[in-house]
Amino acid sequence: RKEVEQDPGPFNVPEGATVAFNCTYSNSASQSFFWYRQDCRKEPKLLMSVYSSGNEDGRFTAQLNRASQYISLLIRDSKLSDSATYLCVAHNAGNMLTFGGGTRLMVKP
Amino acid sequence: GAVVSQHPSRVICKSGTSVKIECRSLDFQATTMFWYRQFPKKSLMLMATSNEGSKATYEQGVEKDKFLINHASLTLSTLTVTSAHPEDSSFYICSASGNRGSQPQHFGDGTRLSIL
Repeated sequence: RKEVEQDPGPFNVPEGATVAFNCTYSNSASQSFFWYRQDCRKEPKLLMSVYSSGNEDGRFTAQLNRASQYISLLIRDSKLSDSATYLCVAHNAGNMLTFGGGTRLMVKP
Repeated sequence: GAVVSQHPSRVICKSGTSVKIECRSLDFQATTMFWYRQFPKKSLMLMATSNEGSKATYEQGVEKDKFLINHASLTLSTLTVTSAHPEDSSFYICSASGNRGSQPQHFGDGTRLSIL
């Protein structure tokens, strides 16, 4: 079983739609979590941190449920520029990052 | 602006060539640097972790004699793919962690390696 699992998608949604991604992790000792965005042939870029209390940044909301070992990302009012792969990432001891397989989002006009 | 510089961004070379990739932290001291490999439509897989002045720790399945890592200073780590073959073609990304900002790791731009 992978340490961080995501639905690979692709999620094809129209502009303006709301879309949600889920992620589960198996290492209960993971210290913190992040969502990264990766465009084709580019390096991953930090999108936002994920907290148990929820974290909102504009159209993006991330949530962590430690009891269920479950992480979510909600994107409201999708834009064409949101098309990318979204990586769920667990931060472990020694500053190690474990990446999920990524969820591909395609926003269509 | 970029805090980690990776060079070169693109390499195309013949089978059997050794290729060196550099990763530099630009405005902070990177006590730890990480090297990842990413195949098309796959996620990043950690290859090795290197701490300045000590030998790199390789992940299971990664050949240390094939992928030589040197982390001689707090701002520079290099990955050398020795005697590269077509199956080594991949996207290689470095990252660095140190006392800068709140992110656990800062990523380089990546190096796309194509072995003919």
